[in-house]
Amino acid sequence: DAGVIQSPRHEVTEMGQEVTLRCKPISGHNSLFWYRQTMMRGLELLIYFNNNVPIDDSGMPEDRFSAKMPNASFSTLKIQPSEPRDSAVYFCASTLGTPKNIQYFGAGTRLSVL
Amino acid sequence: QQQVKQSPQSLIVQKGGISIINCAYENTAFDYFPWYQQFPGKGPALLIAIRPDVSEKKEGRFTISFNKSAKQFSLHIMDSQPGDSATYFCAASKGNDMRFGAGTRLTVKP
Repeated sequence: DAGVIQSPRHEVTEMGQEVTLRCKPISGHNSLFWYRQTMMRGLELLIYFNNNVPIDDSGMPEDRFSAKMPNASFSTLKIQPSEPRDSAVYFCASTLGTPKNIQYFGAGTRLSVL
Repeated sequence: QQQVKQSPQSLIVQKGGISIINCAYENTAFDYFPWYQQFPGKGPALLIAIRPDVSEKKEGRFTISFNKSAKQFSLHIMDSQPGDSATYFCAASKGNDMRFGAGTRLTVKP
């Protein structure tokens, strides 16, 4: 299996622009997670889906952030409008779930908002 | 609210030495405690994990020690190697609710 695939790997955009990050989870996994990593705040859970349904989005910073999972093999995280403070590395992870609950992470998308 | 506290922030160890990273959690409902290793430019990857019904788990040079009553657990890396230089995250979870520590940047000097 190719693992969790994220695109793009790097994104540079200007403040106010819309940004869409993409994730393809490992085939057969039923849960998908979006994380944000910064030096100041570490690894923060933004939202997670179980069987394509959003379960907990309490970590989403504000209404500018939205996430969708239209099917079991694809998810997007959208930021509109983007702001410089959104600059971070965004990770997607997937898991088959309990009992082992091992989360497999993608390589991340490094977002820079100028 | 930081549910998992990790220390130290950074650690420098000589090759062959022992690296020790500590974590403490608050929620007694957590029932799975993994450690993740992250190299620069990569996503975190599971290194070793433990459940609270055992006090220690060893895999090669990596050992988790778990103290349920103190709500603490630690990662020990024996015979540390320069290739172990990475950022290490502890985590605690219940079902899909996983909370990560802030991370420890380990540097092993040759």
